[in-house]
Amino acid sequence: DGGITQSPKYLFRKEGQNVTLSCEQNLNHDAMYWYRQDPGQGLRLIYYSQIVNDFQKGDIAEGYSVSREKKESFPLTVTSAQKNPTAFYLCASSRRTSGGPQETQYFGPGTRLLVL
Amino acid sequence: QKEVEQDPGPLSVPEGAIVSLNCTYSNSAFQYFMWYRQYSRKGPELLMYTYSSGNKEDGRFTAQVDKSSKYISLFIRDSQPSDSATYLCAMRDLTGANSKLTFGKGITLSVRP
Repeated sequence: DGGITQSPKYLFRKEGQNVTLSCEQNLNHDAMYWYRQDPGQGLRLIYYSQIVNDFQKGDIAEGYSVSREKKESFPLTVTSAQKNPTAFYLCASSRRTSGGPQETQYFGPGTRLLVL
Repeated sequence: QKEVEQDPGPLSVPEGAIVSLNCTYSNSAFQYFMWYRQYSRKGPELLMYTYSSGNKEDGRFTAQVDKSSKYISLFIRDSQPSDSATYLCAMRDLTGANSKLTFGKGITLSVRP
């Protein structure tokens, strides 16, 4: 089955610790995204990547880092600089756009990050 | 003014009711419009997609876009308890290779049996 997997489902972070959230897709999509979802806030874009070895900051990139070494994988690191990391993190992917129609994003099941 | 405004909710309706969910937007460059459904503690799933003004129907769901008024709606007919979820509108423009989506904050719908 094609899809997007995220792991772990729940993640606990201690003060001053960096943690990495995994996102893998087997949809052969070029573009991948990370969002953060807080209650009443909707989805906010953290980082996105349209091609391997390239990525751009989204609206709330501070305190986060990403890498895109493989087409299938787009891990997100929540660094100790992110002072309020408790949230639901969603990874998504889509075909690469060229300004054309019907480029939709498909989401993974999410990772809930909690601070101890 | 936020780029996308969505009715805040929550919304509670009896089973069988017609539900209307709405979003307004300010960016006239938005050309593609989507509705996602998100069950509690799950990732959003694409429900409806449209890129033109007018109506698009899929079973009990109808997506409506009015670009002149910058207004989109999702109608759910004969609502079921299984429709209870958070509904997010999303939209994007055609600028170059920009595939970023702008989301509304979502509205939580509860359908009472």
